[in-house]
Amino acid sequence: DAGVIQSPRHEVTEMGQEVTLRCKPISGHNSLFWYRQTMMRGLELLIYFNNNVPIDDSGMPEDRFSAKMPNASFSTLKIQPSEPRDSAVYFCASSLVWDRDSYEQYFGPGTRLTVT
Amino acid sequence: KNEVEQSPQNLTAQEGEFITINCSYSVGISALHWLQQHPGGGIVSLFMLSSGKKKHGRLIATINIQEKHSSLHITASHPRDSAVYICAVPTNFGNEKLTFGTGTRLTIIP
Repeated sequence: DAGVIQSPRHEVTEMGQEVTLRCKPISGHNSLFWYRQTMMRGLELLIYFNNNVPIDDSGMPEDRFSAKMPNASFSTLKIQPSEPRDSAVYFCASSLVWDRDSYEQYFGPGTRLTVT
Repeated sequence: KNEVEQSPQNLTAQEGEFITINCSYSVGISALHWLQQHPGGGIVSLFMLSSGKKKHGRLIATINIQEKHSSLHITASHPRDSAVYICAVPTNFGNEKLTFGTGTRLTIIP
């Protein structure tokens, strides 16, 4: 299995531009997570989906952030408009939840976003 | 909501030393995760455990549910073990949503 795939790996953009991050989870997994990692705040959950349905988006910072999962094999995280404080590494992770005690998460390589 | 504390924040040791990293949490959980983040940034899940002890190679993870405490041990440490080790627990019991510790930066000197 190729693991969780994220693209792009690096993104540099100017303030005010729209940014779209993409994630392909491991085939067969039914949960998908978007995380953000910064030096100041560490790893934070932004949103997670189960069976393509958003379950908890309480970590999404503000309306500039949106996430979709149109099917089981693809998700996007969009920032519009982007701001310098959005600069971070964004990780996507997926898991197969078959009971409450079995939800090991597999992380993608991350997208390093720099907003100038 | 669960609070997670890890210690130490930074640890430097000589190659071959036995390493212990600690994690405490505040609310009862169904399972605890140990993750490893390499200097290049990639995150790997090392263990998910709900009781007792798990071993994988030179890595051992233990958990005491009553004391709300887990430890990650590395035996015969090697420079390639240098990484940030992160503990994570469900934000609420039985939930997939995780709360992460701030991580322990481990450096093993040859």
